[in-house]
Amino acid sequence: AQSVSQHNHHVILSEAASLELGCNYSYGGTVNLFWYVQYPGQHLQLLLKYFSGDPLVKGIKGFEAEFIKSKFSFNLRKPSVQWSDTAEYFCAVRDTGRRALTFGSGTRLQVQP
Amino acid sequence: EADIYQTPRYLVIGTGKKITLECSQTMGHDKMYWYQQDPGMELHLIHYSYGVNSTEKGDLSSESTVSRIRTEHFPLTLESARPSHTSQYLCASTEAGGGGYTFGSGTRLTVV
Repeated sequence: AQSVSQHNHHVILSEAASLELGCNYSYGGTVNLFWYVQYPGQHLQLLLKYFSGDPLVKGIKGFEAEFIKSKFSFNLRKPSVQWSDTAEYFCAVRDTGRRALTFGSGTRLQVQP
Repeated sequence: EADIYQTPRYLVIGTGKKITLECSQTMGHDKMYWYQQDPGMELHLIHYSYGVNSTEKGDLSSESTVSRIRTEHFPLTLESARPSHTSQYLCASTEAGGGGYTFGSGTRLTVV
């Protein structure tokens, strides 16, 4: 079965620091990859997605992610975080044989002003 | 703003009660999903539907049931709630092409 690993469970950064959140998945075939964000008290929102093409994907709010097929990874990055980026971030994967997304356990990001 | 609505947002209910969690979307999406999420944990798929009269169980075994009589409506029912059902339940939908999900705000259920 597909699995998704997010190695960082809780990350604390100061404003303006750079961010990289790790995501690795287990399926070796064709995959669709997603990052979702959940701000405190709000619903999950799509941050960015990768289906095919350029492995460097740009999303909303200055986030980007890079798909590295050889490493089964889809890490999320932002050059300079803001206090408003405080949220929980979920990586998700859908492989071609599966009907729904498989989510990682999430990374809680806390940005200190 | 999400066009998928879940009610109630919070629910505290006694053991043994029957409950229905509502989920409706206005986007005409064929595919709808229910996920269960405990605090600090990943989302687990418990039910999904690819269209009217189509429902399937997900990865996580659940005592809940679902129905899909109308495209826009995908309610989840627990016949007899137990404390082990305490969790957050998230509803989502996506278009036929399989893009990203749109999530509802969730129902936080507490069974006492």
